[in-house]
Amino acid sequence: DQQVKQNSPSLSVQEGRISILNCDYTNSMFDYFLWYKKYPAEGPTFLISISSIKDKNEDGRFTVFLNKSAKHLSLHIVPSQPGDSAVYFCAAPRSYNQGGKLIFGQGTELSVKP
Amino acid sequence: NAGVMQNPRHLVRRRGQEARLRCSPMKGHSHVYWYRQLPEEGLKFMVYLQKENIIDESGMPKERFSAEFPKEGPSILRIQQVVRGDSAAYFCASSPPGRNEQYFGPGTRLTVT
Repeated sequence: DQQVKQNSPSLSVQEGRISILNCDYTNSMFDYFLWYKKYPAEGPTFLISISSIKDKNEDGRFTVFLNKSAKHLSLHIVPSQPGDSAVYFCAAPRSYNQGGKLIFGQGTELSVKP
Repeated sequence: NAGVMQNPRHLVRRRGQEARLRCSPMKGHSHVYWYRQLPEEGLKFMVYLQKENIIDESGMPKERFSAEFPKEGPSILRIQQVVRGDSAAYFCASSPPGRNEQYFGPGTRLTVT
């Protein structure tokens, strides 16, 4: 059962434009979400997170939006840069602030073209 | 503050041999997690450990796989009698107590020939 889903395996965007990466979840008990970025042959790097008490969190060029009623979140990157080309994973912890496993989506490969 | 360290970065084993993967968490982090990424797939949770305790091993295959995080030294993921299907990237992550953010190491790429 895939509780966190990223339905777009890839996305191609022109440099300077907005990148929007989407993520859906099925478990209404999830109350915290994280986005990770992964380059080939490296480990995932934590990017940004959001708690379910918010609907938006912003950090520089990265903004995450959460729509709890739709069980949907998105990561916006503005403006996109070639160095943003990577695989992006959304994840949810099994239990909030108690440690425990992260449940990952399948990932979306972003390609930013100059 | 050094990040999560994993070694070796690459490991080649023949079928039937044992593989030992090591992970040193970030300083101050007492929680360690192991994940596996098979080719063309996302990251799948394997096991969650604290010092000398396995907290959640629900993602570990029932046979051949074991993990430990001793009082002293790194966490070890051990795979006995490896098979070709064990070929994957194995990532270790750590977190401080009470936090959701996990910080990942560079991974160990296991190839079984």
